[in-house]
Amino acid sequence: NAGVMQNPRHLVRRRGQEARLRCSPMKGHSHVYWYRQLPEEGLKFMVYLQKENIIDESGMPKERFSAEFPKEGPSILRIQQVVRGDSAAYFCASSPPPGPNTEAFFGQGTRLTVV
Amino acid sequence: DAKTTQPNSMESNEEEPVHLPCNHSTISGTDYIHWYRQLPSQGPEYVIHGLTSNVNNRMASLAIAEDRKSSTLILHRATLRDAAVYYCILRGGSNYKLTFGKGTLLTVNP
Repeated sequence: NAGVMQNPRHLVRRRGQEARLRCSPMKGHSHVYWYRQLPEEGLKFMVYLQKENIIDESGMPKERFSAEFPKEGPSILRIQQVVRGDSAAYFCASSPPPGPNTEAFFGQGTRLTVV
Repeated sequence: DAKTTQPNSMESNEEEPVHLPCNHSTISGTDYIHWYRQLPSQGPEYVIHGLTSNVNNRMASLAIAEDRKSSTLILHRATLRDAAVYYCILRGGSNYKLTFGKGTLLTVNP
């Protein structure tokens, strides 16, 4: 049973370009979370999605960032018109229906560098 | 979210036990105590969780105080591979997201 797969592992974008980060959850998981970790900082929640629904996007920046989790295919975190401050590691996690007694499984992350 | 307090850093020697403390004085009755760790340049990894009773798994043990206001993650024999940031997180009720604090940076000396 493959774990949470994120790709690409490393992504370099020039300022103003778009970045697309993909996350394939563990088999059978229909709940996905995205987190961002800025250099030398902690993990910050961005968004929580179920298949075809955004449940909580309270941690998403108001502009340029969007996320989706379609019925088929991976979850996508999209950053438009990237700026240097977007350089960070982006982690995806998946879980079965979440509850206090469930664990989340994280991918290895995508490290975005904006030049 | 109920808050947890952990030391910023701890140091251990290889093959010795490590006790990582966590205070959570405002824990509610339905909150589970979760531990995750993040190795350098990797994603967080689940370690263990519990509610009231002490828990053991292949990675670690979790000792929970009787009043549940504190807990301790125990690594029985630290290895160099255990060097990581360890996060203590409370998760309860309808709280579906994991809220990471600063965690404890564990250094393991050879």
